[in-house]
Amino acid sequence: LAKTTQPISMDSYEGQEVNITCSHNNIATNDYITWYQQFPSQGPRFIIQGYKTKVTNEVASLFIPADRKSSTLSLPRVSLSDTAVYYCLVGDSWGKLQFGAGTQVVVTP
Amino acid sequence: NAGVTQTPKFQVLKTGQSMTLQCAQDMNHNSMYWYRQDPGMGLRLIYYSASEGTTDKGEVPNGYNVSRLNKREFSLRLESAAPSQTSVYFCASSQGVTAYEQYFGPGTRLTVT
Repeated sequence: LAKTTQPISMDSYEGQEVNITCSHNNIATNDYITWYQQFPSQGPRFIIQGYKTKVTNEVASLFIPADRKSSTLSLPRVSLSDTAVYYCLVGDSWGKLQFGAGTQVVVTP
Repeated sequence: NAGVTQTPKFQVLKTGQSMTLQCAQDMNHNSMYWYRQDPGMGLRLIYYSASEGTTDKGEVPNGYNVSRLNKREFSLRLESAAPSQTSVYFCASSQGVTAYEQYFGPGTRLTVT
């Protein structure tokens, strides 16, 4: 299983861009990279998924370098409502994926 | 369209009691999952069902049993609850085990005394 490492916490101010980097040195050829967001007392919510290069949706961007040993989730112009835990997952089947402790992002005014 | 629903929302059990957590989805998804989340930690997969009629163990299956009743419903049973099973339990579903967007229910907060 490809293990992931991400920072425990990050602080930001409203309006700034937040970049969370996840390391996955042992990523396999068939593995995809997926990010989830979790608010307190709620289940996680899918944010974005990618295999290589850059993926962008209405919520975030995901940057994946050519070697795929890391990935960076970018949250543009964060607001207070983006305060949450963000999880990076790597794998090719949900039966084998593991959620780590995630990164607690705190946005302040 | 309710998505994923879970019952009950809260439950308190005494050690040794049994109970079943219910989960249902109305998105016609093939795969369903049960996770537990302990304070300050990420989710851990207990069991999953890739498709109707199949179930497989996840990372922490001991002390639990599951039933995929039909395509919509996936239940989790604790036969003899222990304090170590105090946790928040989440059910989720997806189109298939290789589909990366899972949809989660609101969770069941279980306390075992």
